[in-house]
Amino acid sequence: DTGVSQNPRHKITKRGQNVTFRCDPISEHNRLYWYRQTLGQGPEFLTYFQNEAQLEKSRLLSDRFSAERPKGSFSTLEIQRTEQGDSAMYLCASSTTGTTRYGYTFGSGTRLTVV
Amino acid sequence: KQEVTQIPAALSVPEGENLVLNCSFTDSAIYNLQWFRQDPGKGLTSLLLIQSSQREQTSGRLNASLDKSSGRSTLYIAASQPGDSATYLCAVWPSGTYKYIFGTGTRLKVLA
Repeated sequence: DTGVSQNPRHKITKRGQNVTFRCDPISEHNRLYWYRQTLGQGPEFLTYFQNEAQLEKSRLLSDRFSAERPKGSFSTLEIQRTEQGDSAMYLCASSTTGTTRYGYTFGSGTRLTVV
Repeated sequence: KQEVTQIPAALSVPEGENLVLNCSFTDSAIYNLQWFRQDPGKGLTSLLLIQSSQREQTSGRLNASLDKSSGRSTLYIAASQPGDSATYLCAVWPSGTYKYIFGTGTRLKVLA
C-alpha cells in the first residue's frame, strides 16, 4: 500500500474554467476527507465521506464545489467556474471506521493556481 | 467551538538547539491530538499522535506531551538540525465529530 494518492500534484487554470482533482485513499480505509489550505493557514475541513455517502459538508464548500466517492473507493473534487480565491492546496486524507486510534493519513495534496 | 492556537508563528534557531513548540485548544473533549510536519508546497506528514488518555509520545528526537485539562500540548525537538526546517501543525480531533481542527502552524528554520 503506497498511502493516500492525489492527482494531479499541480494544476494551473484560467479563471472561469472547471477543474477536477482525484484522491485514492488507503485501500482498507472507508473514511475519506477533503481539506483546503491557503498560504500561511492551517488546513480547513471541506467534506467527509464514509464509504460512498457524503456525511458532512463545510460552509466553505460553495455550490461551485462538488465531491463524489462512487463505490466508496476513490474520490473526486470538482470546482466549477474557478475564481482566484480558489487558489490553495487541496488535501485528501483517509482513516478507518470504528476507531480514532490511528488518526488520519494525508496525501501529498493538489496545488491549484487560478490565473 | 473548538479553536486551536499555535505559538510562536515562526521560530529561527541555530543548529543543535533544543526547542519547544506550543499548541493550545479551547475544548478538552477530544479523541486525540496529532502533530504534523509540512515542507513547503507539500502534504502533511504525521509525526506523533497522542490519545486523549495518554500524556506523551516519543519518536526519536521528538517528544509530544498532552495536558488535556489545561488544553495544551507541546512538541519538543532535541538537538535540532537544518533538516528539521519545516512548518509544524497541531491538530485536535474533537469528541463526537469526524474531523480534525488545525492550528495555523509554527514555521521553524534551523540555521546551519
